[in-house]
Amino acid sequence: ETGVTQTPRHLVMGMTNKKSLKCEQHLGHNAMYWYKQSAKKPLELMFVYSLEERVENNSVPSRFSPECPNSSHLFLHLHTLQPEDSALYLCASSVGTTIYGYTFGSGTRLTVV
Amino acid sequence: AQTVTQSQPEMSVQEAETVTLSCTYDTSESDYYLFWYKQPPSRQMILVIRQEAYKQQNATENRFSVNFQKAAKSFSLKISDSQLGDAAMYFCAYREGTYKYIFGTGTRLKVLA
Repeated sequence: ETGVTQTPRHLVMGMTNKKSLKCEQHLGHNAMYWYKQSAKKPLELMFVYSLEERVENNSVPSRFSPECPNSSHLFLHLHTLQPEDSALYLCASSVGTTIYGYTFGSGTRLTVV
Repeated sequence: AQTVTQSQPEMSVQEAETVTLSCTYDTSESDYYLFWYKQPPSRQMILVIRQEAYKQQNATENRFSVNFQKAAKSFSLKISDSQLGDAAMYFCAYREGTYKYIFGTGTRLKVLA
């Protein structure tokens, strides 16, 4: 058990679909993150929520919409995606200060067709 | 802006031997945190080791140790007595600000039996 659980593990969606990625942690962490991992590129931070408030949004297109209903759950709502959005989407959590590192989930492999 | 560079896309090591993965970074800060993460085929990023820049002593976690050269801005990871389970992608990361990490592009480590 990783401590951070992501579902689904794999997702294939058409460009006109709407889908959501889910992330859940029961580690007592109060910050949660979405990262995008593409081949041969560094991980890209997308969104940060601290105490359920969005504190960072790294110029992510509006077709990605995050939601953090409580400190244990984080969603990434997807709509009208492009093929270049195909990637591994990683969720992570941390205590308020990140000096001790993140705890990551196993990611959702997203393919946009 | 801070950057993290991993110049070795792929490395190989014989089982039971020692291997060193390189990482350099650029920062104007004097106090910061550095990390090595391992990403096996299961995709979950696992924290291997962390280093606090103000500590002169190199961090060590069992078979994993770092060579932290602050003046040279170098943070290499040494894996001793390599095991088949060490085969993975390894990412170096720099903590920028309260929440964000800057990751390198990773080094794929192969362990040969």
